[in-house]
Amino acid sequence: DTEVTQTPKHLVMGMTNKKSLKCEQHMGHRAMYWYKQKAKKPPELMFVYSYEKLSINESVPSRFSPECPNSSLLNLHLHALQPEDSALYLCASTELTTSGYYEQYFGPGTRLTVT
Amino acid sequence: GQSLEQPSEVTAVEGAIVQINCTYQTSGFYGLSWYQQHDGGAPTFLSYNALDGLEETGRFSSFLSRSDSYGYLLLQELQMKDSASYFCAGLGGATNKLIFGTGTLLAVQP
Repeated sequence: DTEVTQTPKHLVMGMTNKKSLKCEQHMGHRAMYWYKQKAKKPPELMFVYSYEKLSINESVPSRFSPECPNSSLLNLHLHALQPEDSALYLCASTELTTSGYYEQYFGPGTRLTVT
Repeated sequence: GQSLEQPSEVTAVEGAIVQINCTYQTSGFYGLSWYQQHDGGAPTFLSYNALDGLEETGRFSSFLSRSDSYGYLLLQELQMKDSASYFCAGLGGATNKLIFGTGTLLAVQP
């Protein structure tokens, strides 16, 4: 199983709502990532979890709150978002090793619209 | 800072060869990756260069020159399905953190 799954596929939320994005992988990968991608732009790294601990926060506003409940799951909790937060949110995972590089596997993304 | 620059668009015909360049300004990259992303889809891994030189994977090859802060992706025998966005990505840190380039939209024409 080389798949990263994300739910929901689409999400529309108001600026006062609280919602969560979910990501799951069963490849035994110990690093998981959240990226934000605007149309016609590259993915921008938001958070990195390695061995279930937050290792990188790319100065993301606190209205985005990541959580890694276990080695297979990654959540992104959303609260009080702004319309400019509308984007495709991608989850990815990879092995961690000191011996070389392993590709990142991306999920299909959640297309978020903030109204 | 870290930045990776690519041409915004490239057009080529079926069966042709196309080269997508990536120039970067950064320090501490462990290597350079390439990802393909079809419209509405997820990025998928194409190749990785840890060392200078050419890596070949089927119709795709990738090249890296650290001294020139430059790399490229070469696509041969182009097919219509190769129409997509292509991103170079610098690899940094023990967490395999990727910094993506600006992206190149490749249009393959009949």
